[in-house]
Amino acid sequence: GAGVSQSPSNKVTEKGKDVELRCDPISGHTALYWYRQSLGQGLEFLIYFQGNSAPDKSGLPSDRFSAERTGGSVSTLTIQRTQQEDSAVYLCASSPGRVLSGNTIYFGEGSWLTVV
Amino acid sequence: LAKTTQPISMDSYEGQEVNITCSHNNIATNDYITWYQQFPSQGPRFIIQGYKTKVTNEVASLFIPADRKSSTLSLPRVSLSDTAVYYCLVGLYSGAGSYQLTFGKGTKLSVIP
Repeated sequence: GAGVSQSPSNKVTEKGKDVELRCDPISGHTALYWYRQSLGQGLEFLIYFQGNSAPDKSGLPSDRFSAERTGGSVSTLTIQRTQQEDSAVYLCASSPGRVLSGNTIYFGEGSWLTVV
Repeated sequence: LAKTTQPISMDSYEGQEVNITCSHNNIATNDYITWYQQFPSQGPRFIIQGYKTKVTNEVASLFIPADRKSSTLSLPRVSLSDTAVYYCLVGLYSGAGSYQLTFGKGTKLSVIP
């Protein structure tokens, strides 16, 4: 596609339910990132996939959060037993390679999650 | 703890030049510095990227001193549509020697008519 695509764009879920957020990166991009942004706050790193390497999961806030990337393309971020503090925008981004060697990172428009 | 530092907010009148500085003491040797713009309810958008000295494009300029411990985004003659949050992005070495891609906390720029 032309850009990073995320779905759903908006999700309201009840506390305790599981949610899945999907990211479709730009075709051919080997690097994929997930960030979280709470209302009025900055970007919080969650997880990073680079090609076939083991993902960098150092930003995941708890074991309720997990992500996978199938076939080096589409990624799914899963939040189990959602809590109200999980309410935020979840942003996915991709880049052609290692982003800070001159490659540009491109963001999707985000998935807005509200836990009630 | 490796981190970046930006001013939380800035105000400017239309037509003025705006300079936003990001401090990044522990920047990784070979990494570039990138700046993003974010409007409400949208994902961040790439503005400019550089490694050292000065870079200019149709939107902004980026000034990076020789020690690369800071960078300054310069927006010439801002307009109301430049009201947004601006983030710097760098790779930083933490105290334990590990590397982490780190966004600044963002600078909210308000352009006043």
